[in-house]
Amino acid sequence: AQSVTQLDSHVSVSEGTPVLLRCNYSSSYSPSLFWYVQHPNKGLQLLLKYTSAATLVKGINGFEAEFKKSETSFHLTKPSAHMSDAAEYFCVVSDLRTSISNFGNEKLTFGTGTRLTIIP
Amino acid sequence: EPEVTQTPSHQVTQMGQEVILRCVPISNHLYFYWYRQILGQKVEFLVSFYNNEISEKSEIFDDQFSVERPDGSNFTLKIRSTKLEDSAMYFCASSEAGTFEKLFFGSGTQLSVL
Repeated sequence: AQSVTQLDSHVSVSEGTPVLLRCNYSSSYSPSLFWYVQHPNKGLQLLLKYTSAATLVKGINGFEAEFKKSETSFHLTKPSAHMSDAAEYFCVVSDLRTSISNFGNEKLTFGTGTRLTIIP
Repeated sequence: EPEVTQTPSHQVTQMGQEVILRCVPISNHLYFYWYRQILGQKVEFLVSFYNNEISEKSEIFDDQFSVERPDGSNFTLKIRSTKLEDSAMYFCASSEAGTFEKLFFGSGTQLSVL
């Protein structure tokens, strides 16, 4: 079984300051991890993904995340927040074994989301 | 950039009524999905669909739910007799090759059951 926990339901940062959105996961096998972003009235957009390659993953819009197996974490960071970063962010896990044994069945497990507010 | 399109963006219905949520996946995609998010809860997998049949479904996807690809472009989710607890945001997603790395989501349909 797999699960993901987003520790903060709401994060507020000032424009130009660093962003940290926390995520911890649980997976029986080698996980694939993702961060999705949802802007108001928009679809879920993939920010970045980890699939057992480099542990530091760079995504779009200056975001990056580091996979830390020892801490079972995949926190999302950005050095300097921009007003356009205000959105809901979801940490997502997909069990690699599940994906291989059920090819074509992407059963992603989502966290509850973190709403990021940027203060001007 | 190609998009998954969902209509309507908001749907209000009375309890016990049938509702159909519509999705137009990206044109060359072959794998289709429905997820939902009840307010304040996690996004949950409902069903995946490939080659005109359901490939996997969750325990949420009971006999009240059905999916269909009635023509070459639409992918629909039908709830036969809606319940209050069906109120949620429903997301459609599609992928070309059945890999989660290339999964595209629509903007969702907010379903409110009164």
